[in-house]
Amino acid sequence: AQSVTQPDIHITVSEGASLELRCNYSYGATPYLFWYVQSPGQGLQLLLKYFSGETLVQGIKGFEAEFKRSQSSFNLRKPSVHWSDAAEYFCAVGAIFGGYNKLIFGAGTRLAVHP
Amino acid sequence: DTAVSQTPKYLVTQMGNDKSIKCEQNLGHDTMYWYKQDSKKFLKIMFSYNNKELIINETVPNRFSPKSPDKAHLNLHINSLELGDSAVYFCASSLKLLHRPGGVNEQFFGPGTRLTVL
Repeated sequence: AQSVTQPDIHITVSEGASLELRCNYSYGATPYLFWYVQSPGQGLQLLLKYFSGETLVQGIKGFEAEFKRSQSSFNLRKPSVHWSDAAEYFCAVGAIFGGYNKLIFGAGTRLAVHP
Repeated sequence: DTAVSQTPKYLVTQMGNDKSIKCEQNLGHDTMYWYKQDSKKFLKIMFSYNNKELIINETVPNRFSPKSPDKAHLNLHINSLELGDSAVYFCASSLKLLHRPGGVNEQFFGPGTRLTVL
């Protein structure tokens, strides 16, 4: 069955420090992978996506993610975190279902940023 | 603004009542979804409609009845509300990938409706 695991429930970093949020997926075919961010009281905003090709994908707000098939991972990174990056981050895998698709989300990682 | 919009943003009601949440998208998408986010922030799909036709129903109680009057709207009606229905409900939309069969497109989310059942 398809699933997504985000091992870190809560991460705290200092402003200006680098960030890596982990995501592992389980999916039998070629995965379609997404990272979304949810700011407090807001909806989900797409940060980046991986469909195929180049395994290092660039997203908005200075984020990037690397697809590693051998590790079934799609970790999100940012070289220097800003206080405004404090939010909940969700990794998702797109699953094909009877010709249509749905997203299966991980449990999320809450990022806190210290000044 | 092009977006997915939901009304109301907040909904507080008594157990046993019936309530509706409305969703509209003006992105020209043909597929719409309802997700439930529980108190631990876990997101789970409830329903999906493509061109007004129900295509995904994820073991949701019969008290929940989605309705899609057209492909730009997907409403969620909930009968006999229970305490456990308290959550944030998100609407989303996407395009069915006709040019990449077997592919998955990104979904665009609304701002959410926080439902509190007392």
